[in-house]
Amino acid sequence: KNQVEQSPQSLIILEGKNCTLQCNYTVSPFSNLRWYKQDTGRGPVSLTIMTFSENTKSNGRYTATLDADTKQSSLHITASQLSDSASYICVVTPALNQAGTALIFGKGTTLSVSS
Amino acid sequence: EADIYQTPRYLVIGTGKKITLECSQTMGHDKMYWYQQDPGMELHLIHYSYGVNSTEKGDLSSESTVSRIRTEHFPLTLESARPSHTSQYLCASSEFELGTEAFFGQGTRLTVV
Repeated sequence: KNQVEQSPQSLIILEGKNCTLQCNYTVSPFSNLRWYKQDTGRGPVSLTIMTFSENTKSNGRYTATLDADTKQSSLHITASQLSDSASYICVVTPALNQAGTALIFGKGTTLSVSS
Repeated sequence: EADIYQTPRYLVIGTGKKITLECSQTMGHDKMYWYQQDPGMELHLIHYSYGVNSTEKGDLSSESTVSRIRTEHFPLTLESARPSHTSQYLCASSEFELGTEAFFGQGTRLTVV
């Protein structure tokens, strides 16, 4: 069964610190892997999208890595800010995508940044 | 900021009422989607559309229905709301298949009392 598991479930860090969120998946083969940021009560916003052949992708203070061999991805946040407090969701698209049915969502990691 | 809008943002309604959640996008995307998300849980696809007059059920069974009469509009309807329908409903659209970039609306948080 295609699954996406994220860890930790929740995380609290001090403003200015770095953190790394993990995503393990069993989807194979896959087309791409994305990280979304979802603020409370809002829709997800895309941070990065990587194809199976990419190893890393950056978006400002967010850097995603992908190891297709071990089926692991991580999202590293540098110099965290209070506005980084949100849920971060890992999403995997299986290959041979059938439009609309193929996205596999993780449950997300809830990050809280405190001052 | 993505040009996809959902209304209302919040809705509290009594059991048995009929409701329609609105979703509109101005990007000209053919593909549109409805997801259901319970607190702390992952998103589950309940409906999708390839284009005008196309609607399909998603992976999660839902008592809601959808229509796609215009490209930019993809409303979701519950004929008779029940407390079990309480959830957050998220609309999304994409230009090509959902393996490419997808844009989400801000969601509608529905509470049925």
